Amino acid sequence: DAKTTQPTSMDCAEGRAANLPCNHSTISGNEYVYWYRQIHSQGPQYIIHGLKNNETNEMASLIITEDRKSSTLILPHATLRDTAVYYCIVRAYNNNDMRFGAGTRLTVKP
Amino acid sequence: EAGVAQSPRYKIIEKRQSVAFWCNPISGHATLYWYQQILGQGPKLLIQFQNNGVVDDSQLPKDRFSAERLKGVDSTLKIQPAKLEDSAVYLCASSFSQETQYFGPGTRLLVL
Repeated sequence: DAKTTQPTSMDCAEGRAANLPCNHSTISGNEYVYWYRQIHSQGPQYIIHGLKNNETNEMASLIITEDRKSSTLILPHATLRDTAVYYCIVRAYNNNDMRFGAGTRLTVKP
Repeated sequence: EAGVAQSPRYKIIEKRQSVAFWCNPISGHATLYWYQQILGQGPKLLIQFQNNGVVDDSQLPKDRFSAERLKGVDSTLKIQPAKLEDSAVYLCASSFSQETQYFGPGTRLLVL
């Protein structure tokens, strides 16, 4: 079973920031938070991951709360091509069993 | 850098037939994974290889599914005989050691 809880779906206006929440209240000290997304008919695409500090890369920012029980993925300027299912996954660094839940279906609207 | 390659992209078979999927991981990635993704669900791990050895196949239905990675590079996943409930997308992923997994485009299987 997935160790995370995400909203089933969200909408976002094109050009605005998309903020996708994830709850992982049972996260352990050695577990990272990973985000992937899956665009229709493609394989999952890695976005970003973090342990306890906030992270940023060319795709997104990851904000992890101080107690690490929740996180938010931020797409700063959403485009129509960001429409996808976004998966939040918790896994230990040396554990390759990534438990995907159902994810959040993000729809970016013009 | 070339990504994970999979073939075929689509396959339609009748139940009780056999089918095989092929995966070529990213060059240098020692770890290879096969996932099954049923429509509307997230991917589920079937089997994990480290080089040519199996690390985890606890969720592989071994009565009908088999996988191999004989030379520690390419891998093949086989289903024999196929059932209707095997209709899904079969995803291959690879990683360098224990790090981030990178996925291929998947093979979409329809069993009639």
